[in-house]
Amino acid sequence: ETGVTQTPRHLVMGMTNKKSLKCEQHLGHNAMYWYKQSAKKPLELMFVYNFKEQTENNSVPSRFSPECPNSSHLFLHLHTLQPEDSALYLCASSLDRSYEQYFGPGTRLTVT
Amino acid sequence: GIQVEQSPPDLILQEGANSTLRCNFSDSVNNLQWFHQNPWGQLINLFYIPSGTKQNGRLSATTVATERYSLLYISSSQTTDSGVYFCAVSTGTASKLTFGTGTRLQVTL
Repeated sequence: ETGVTQTPRHLVMGMTNKKSLKCEQHLGHNAMYWYKQSAKKPLELMFVYNFKEQTENNSVPSRFSPECPNSSHLFLHLHTLQPEDSALYLCASSLDRSYEQYFGPGTRLTVT
Repeated sequence: GIQVEQSPPDLILQEGANSTLRCNFSDSVNNLQWFHQNPWGQLINLFYIPSGTKQNGRLSATTVATERYSLLYISSSQTTDSGVYFCAVSTGTASKLTFGTGTRLQVTL
């Protein structure tokens, strides 16, 4: 079961495109996260939002731009990506920081 | 930062067999979670277990926080148990989960 949804599930984009990933949680949580899972690297945190405020940016390049308009929604805006940015992007939420995290199904991104 | 090591990296079992997966971590943790990642990439929560023992059906987990390790037990394995099992931890007041590299499990008939 999952109370975290992500759209789209698959995305193919060129290096000059601009696209956005969307995450929505229906769990009443206050913290939301973006993680990246590349083929040859462990899952790694990108951003953390707590009560709509960004609390962590794990040295992510500026071509990835997060937005959290409220505690239920999280976006990841993408522009001028590189082929090495192809990965599975996972959204998660938790009641508060350091609590159990629940993940969405992910968006599989391919940059051509 | 904290280091998380999982063993074994790969495991092949016949259906019905039991197995133990291990997670070692290098510092005190306030959050430890076990996940199963299915072939479609979905991370499924198995246990939230910063300390102690929990059981859920054929799965159980034990975390010995003072010795910095956690174990995931799978009994009477089924083909649907196949996939990658991740251990993830966080420390202090941090919200960041640090993931291990996973154990890839294949259950055969």
